[in-house]
Amino acid sequence: AQSVTQLGSHVSVSEGALVLLRCNYSSSVPPYLFWYVQYPNQGLQLLLKYTTGATLVKGINGFEAEFKKSETSFHLTKPSAHMSDAAEYFCAVSYSGGGADGLTFGKGTHLIIQP
Amino acid sequence: KAGVTQTPRYLIKTRGQQVTLSCSPISGHRSVSWYQQTPGQGLQFLFEYFSETQRNKGNFPGRFSGRQFSNSRSEMNVSTLELGDSALYLCASSSTGTGLLGNTIYFGEGSWLTVV
Repeated sequence: AQSVTQLGSHVSVSEGALVLLRCNYSSSVPPYLFWYVQYPNQGLQLLLKYTTGATLVKGINGFEAEFKKSETSFHLTKPSAHMSDAAEYFCAVSYSGGGADGLTFGKGTHLIIQP
Repeated sequence: KAGVTQTPRYLIKTRGQQVTLSCSPISGHRSVSWYQQTPGQGLQFLFEYFSETQRNKGNFPGRFSGRQFSNSRSEMNVSTLELGDSALYLCASSSTGTGLLGNTIYFGEGSWLTVV
């Protein structure tokens, strides 16, 4: 069965500092990988996704992630944190594209931005 | 373009009752899936519907059921509510659901269910 591990349930960075949220997956076949963000009392918003092709994926709000097959990782980064980035971030994996088989989510990482 | 709409946003039910949640997908989307989010278990896949047919189901008891109508709107029902069913229930829609590159899944804001 596929699974997703997000290292660190809480990550705290200073405003303007690098954001790095870690995600590792287990898979015996090539996966589709996603990062979602959830603001308080809201649903999930897609930040970016990897399906095939270029392994460095750029998303919204200045975020990007790199698919590293050898490390089974899909870490999320942003060069300079902003106060508005404070939220819960979820990494997810699927094989079908996230439809019929559903998305398998990590437990989430709460990003805290220090002023 | 309107997003995924879920109703009601908040509701409180008593143990033993049943509840029905509604989801209107993005116009043109034929796949609707449901997820349960709780602090302890995180986000878990409930089931997915495409063109009125359930294509896959997560590991939930039979008390959790759903359906999809011809206009792609979907409902999920939970019968004989338990305290542990208290959660945020998220609906998501996509154009086709399966296997196509570029298939993005869009989530609604969720329905907060509290069972007392």
